Amino acid sequence: KAGVTQTPRYLIKTRGQQVTLSCSPISGHRSVSWYQQTPGQGLQFLFEYFSETQRNKGNFPGRFSGRQFSNSRSEMNVSTLELGDSALYLCASSRGGNTEAFFGQGTRLTVV
Amino acid sequence: AQKITQTQPGMFVQEKEAVTLDCTYDTSDPSYGLFWYKQPSSGEMIFLIYQGSYDQQNATEGRYSLNFQKARKSANLVISASQLGDSAMYFCAMRPPWDQGGKLIFGQGTELSVKP
Repeated sequence: KAGVTQTPRYLIKTRGQQVTLSCSPISGHRSVSWYQQTPGQGLQFLFEYFSETQRNKGNFPGRFSGRQFSNSRSEMNVSTLELGDSALYLCASSRGGNTEAFFGQGTRLTVV
Repeated sequence: AQKITQTQPGMFVQEKEAVTLDCTYDTSDPSYGLFWYKQPSSGEMIFLIYQGSYDQQNATEGRYSLNFQKARKSANLVISASQLGDSAMYFCAMRPPWDQGGKLIFGQGTELSVKP
């Protein structure tokens, strides 16, 4: 059974650019959530999607957005990149309800 | 407010010994889930173990067990027979009730070093 797949694994972007990250959940999982991990702030919740609907959103500016497709794959987009957006971005998938959540390997974004 | 606290920034353990990583949580919801993850230097977040708030028995997965004390709001991870490959960051996380959106709230992590 395939795990959670995030692409790309590494990304280098310039300030002001935009970026799109992709997350393919485990087959049958309908919930995808996104997290930003930095040394200073730790792991912070970005947003969660379930059956194509955003159910919850963390405290991030509007430059951070996401969506989920009918096959449960999810993308997150960051526009007008800032140096502080450099981080490891992780997504997690879950069947929903009180069940386990599994993470992908993450996308390491560097903004220069 | 919902919060996870891991009070041990770093810990050392001798290979083949058992180690306990502490985690306390704060929530007023009766329904929640508790998780432990391992994050090696590669960055991948590896699922270790899950405990639901209504589960009567402590969760176990191989060498990992979760010491769930609901009244004390603690969910300590016990790793038996430590191996060198267990050296990593360990994160405790809580998920509030599902109808509040499936977000995970993480602690600051504990860095475990296993000595040969």
